[in-house]
Amino acid sequence: DAGVIQSPRHEVTEMGQEVTLRCKPISGHDYLFWYRQTMMRGLELLIYFNNNVPIDDSGMPEDRFSAKMPNASFSTLKIQPSEPRDSAVYFCASSTTGLGSTDTQYFGPGTRLTVL
Amino acid sequence: QKEVEQNSGPLSVPEGAIASLNCTYSDRGSQSFFWYRQYSGKSPELIMSIYSNGDKEDGRFTAQLNKASQYVSLLIRDSQPSDSATYLCAVNKNTDKLIFGTGTRLQVFP
Repeated sequence: DAGVIQSPRHEVTEMGQEVTLRCKPISGHDYLFWYRQTMMRGLELLIYFNNNVPIDDSGMPEDRFSAKMPNASFSTLKIQPSEPRDSAVYFCASSTTGLGSTDTQYFGPGTRLTVL
Repeated sequence: QKEVEQNSGPLSVPEGAIASLNCTYSDRGSQSFFWYRQYSGKSPELIMSIYSNGDKEDGRFTAQLNKASQYVSLLIRDSQPSDSATYLCAVNKNTDKLIFGTGTRLQVFP
């Protein structure tokens, strides 16, 4: 199994530009999570999906952020317009069931975003 | 008060010693607890989970949970330089999402 796949691995953009991050979860996993990690705030959950449906987006910082999951094998996180404070590592993770069980959450390699 | 708190470190221990990492959480309704290891520039990976009070051992790792005191700890016996990483504590309140601490950086020196 290839694991969770994210692209791009690195993204450098200028303030005001649109940024799209992509994620392919592990096949058969019905939960998908988007996280943001910074030194100051640590690992924060932005949004998660169950069976392609957004369940909780309370962690999305503001309307500039949006996420979609059009099918079971693909999700995007979009930032429009981007700002320097959005610079962080963005992780996608997937799991087979909810986390009230003994299930493991598998993380992708992350996308390092730098907004100049 | 943060929901999950960890000392940021670094915690420095000599090779072969026991490393003790601690985590406290604020919500008494928390049900399950996880320790993730994250090497620099890499993604987090699960190393231990614990659900009941007491100790749970897996190789050189032991997770300890005390729900009355609202803390969970991770002991690493016979620490190796390859254990040098940031250790993230995560808590689940019987929902589908985890709340992570900011992590403790562990340095094991030869």
